[in-house]
Amino acid sequence: NAGVTQTPKFQVLKTGQSMTLQCAQDMNHNSMYWYRQDPGMGLRLIYYSASEGTTDKGEVPNGYNVSRLNKREFSLRLESAAPSQTSVYFCASSEAGQLRDEQFFGPGTRLTVL
Amino acid sequence: AQTVTQSQPEMSVQEAETVTLSCTYDTSENNYYLFWYKQPPSRQMILVIRQEAYKQQNATENRFSVNFQKAAKSFSLKISDSQLGDTAMYFCAFMTYVNDMRFGAGTRLTVKP
Repeated sequence: NAGVTQTPKFQVLKTGQSMTLQCAQDMNHNSMYWYRQDPGMGLRLIYYSASEGTTDKGEVPNGYNVSRLNKREFSLRLESAAPSQTSVYFCASSEAGQLRDEQFFGPGTRLTVL
Repeated sequence: AQTVTQSQPEMSVQEAETVTLSCTYDTSENNYYLFWYKQPPSRQMILVIRQEAYKQQNATENRFSVNFQKAAKSFSLKISDSQLGDTAMYFCAFMTYVNDMRFGAGTRLTVKP
């Protein structure tokens, strides 16, 4: 099992460009998440998907869109990148979205917006 | 507000010694789970230990244990017999609402040989 995979690992964008971060999990998990990690701030939830076909905003959704393509895949799109979106982005998944569930994380994507 | 505070940005410990990482949180809910995640230099986040708020007994996982003080809203992580592989960022987190995990800013732990 690969667990949670993310592509790309690194990306540099210019202000105003768009891009999509891809995430896939092979653990048959129902819930998937996108976080951003900034220095001194821990991880903050951008969007999550409790099940296939549903998505909901997290703590910092502005400037992002998501798509739960199927049970395995959950993508994050930046329509018009801004320097404030420079961050490390993590995708995660959990089995059933219960309070006790462990979240399994991908290796992250380091995004720089110039 | 659902917040998590880790007051120690950096800590170090000698190999084989014991270290305690602090975490406090704020919530008005009674039912929640608390977690410690480890992020080594590879960046891959890994669950270390978790604790249900309704359980009084502190969770343990091999060399890792917690001191959960519900009234004080404190959830510290103790690492015994520290090993070089324990060098990592450690994040305290909690979840009161399903799918809404809140993380602290992290503590960078260095284990020295």
